[in-house]
Amino acid sequence: DTGVSQNPRHKITKRGQNVTFRCDPISEHNRLYWYRQTLGQGPEFLTYFQNEAQLEKSRLLSDRFSAERPKGSFSTLEIQRTEQGDSAMYLCASSLATVTYGYTFGSGTRLTVV
Amino acid sequence: DQQVKQNSPSLSVQEGRISILNCDYTNSMFDYFLWYKKYPAEGPTFLISISSIKDKNEDGRFTVFLNKSAKHLSLHIVPSQPGDSAVYFCAASLGGSQGNLIFGKGTKLSVKP
Repeated sequence: DTGVSQNPRHKITKRGQNVTFRCDPISEHNRLYWYRQTLGQGPEFLTYFQNEAQLEKSRLLSDRFSAERPKGSFSTLEIQRTEQGDSAMYLCASSLATVTYGYTFGSGTRLTVV
Repeated sequence: DQQVKQNSPSLSVQEGRISILNCDYTNSMFDYFLWYKKYPAEGPTFLISISSIKDKNEDGRFTVFLNKSAKHLSLHIVPSQPGDSAVYFCAASLGGSQGNLIFGKGTKLSVKP
């Protein structure tokens, strides 16, 4: 197992376009999380799944954002009608059922909206 | 309103000396605290954690201290090594069924040879 994999690593898109990111978690991890990190800030929680169920969503996750985790395996995060403020590093993490052991983060997808 | 605060954006330490990174929090309901380390172009890596029912947890060169009355925790690295140079994030959890961690802004540690 090579850890949490995120694709693509970098994405440059024009304002107004839709983008989709993929995350492949560690196979035995049943929880999957999405975070966003902007320059000079710590990661900010967006949403998380336990298996295929989306259990929690942050108010940061506007209607333009949608996440899925079909069959409880990989997950996708889609941003519709991107705005310049969406430029950030999008981090995916996975874990077993409790945070006490710490998440395993992927290397992230850096989104630049021009 | 930041619930987890790391007030020092950066810290510089000589190799072999102790590094002390500090973190303050405001929510007394946090029941678990974690430290992550982040190198450029990589995701954060879990370092060490502590439950709110403890006041100290040690793992090799890394020790985390929790002072609940002061709502303060600190990470001690002894001895510091150049490979420890990274950004360190403090994070807190409300536990239970809540899955999210609340992170501070991070402290950039530079360990000079």
